[in-house]
Amino acid sequence: DAGVTQSPTHLIKTRGQQVTLRCSPISGHKSVSWYQQVLGQGPQFIFQYYEKEERGRGNFPDRFSARQFPNYSSELNVNALLLGDSALYLCASSFVGGRDEQFFGPGTRLTVL
Amino acid sequence: AQSVTQLDSQVPVFEEAPVELRCNYSSSVSVYLFWYVQYPNQGLQLLLKYLSGSTLVESINGFEAEFNKSQTSFHLRKPSVHISDTAEYFCAMVETSYDKVIFGPGTSLSVIP
Repeated sequence: DAGVTQSPTHLIKTRGQQVTLRCSPISGHKSVSWYQQVLGQGPQFIFQYYEKEERGRGNFPDRFSARQFPNYSSELNVNALLLGDSALYLCASSFVGGRDEQFFGPGTRLTVL
Repeated sequence: AQSVTQLDSQVPVFEEAPVELRCNYSSSVSVYLFWYVQYPNQGLQLLLKYLSGSTLVESINGFEAEFNKSQTSFHLRKPSVHISDTAEYFCAMVETSYDKVIFGPGTSLSVIP
């Protein structure tokens, strides 16, 4: 079975632009979570979705938004990019979230110039 | 405020020696606790987890962690490490009433031949 997939692998944007990152969960998983990982730090929780509903939100500004589609795939959108948004963005899927084991994708490396 | 602390950012240890990676958490409610591992050039994967019941949990590759509620700790131990254990180790917690996963900053374990 395929694991969690993310696209694109790498992305370079300039300040002020908008970006959309995509994630496809493992088949059968209904929960998707998004994380931001800055070099040398642990993943920081951004959002969790279950059955297309937002179940959790981390301490990120409103420039960050996400959604989950009927097929359980998900998109993370970031508007008005700042230099500080440069990071590895990880997507993880699980059956229901919370206490479940999360399966991580390889991430999207976003560079903001 | 909820947080996860990993005091040791880097832990070098000789092959076949024992190792302990420390993890402390802060929360006012019940939590689930996890250790995730990231091997070089690979994605994050679950190593072990504590949900309830026995406070000592084990992984298939010889690691164990003990939940200590009074000390709010979940330290990871292995009696004899191998070169292949070289990786970044992240402690994480989920409060039982929420779906927000909080990761620690990580500990880089380097096993020296």
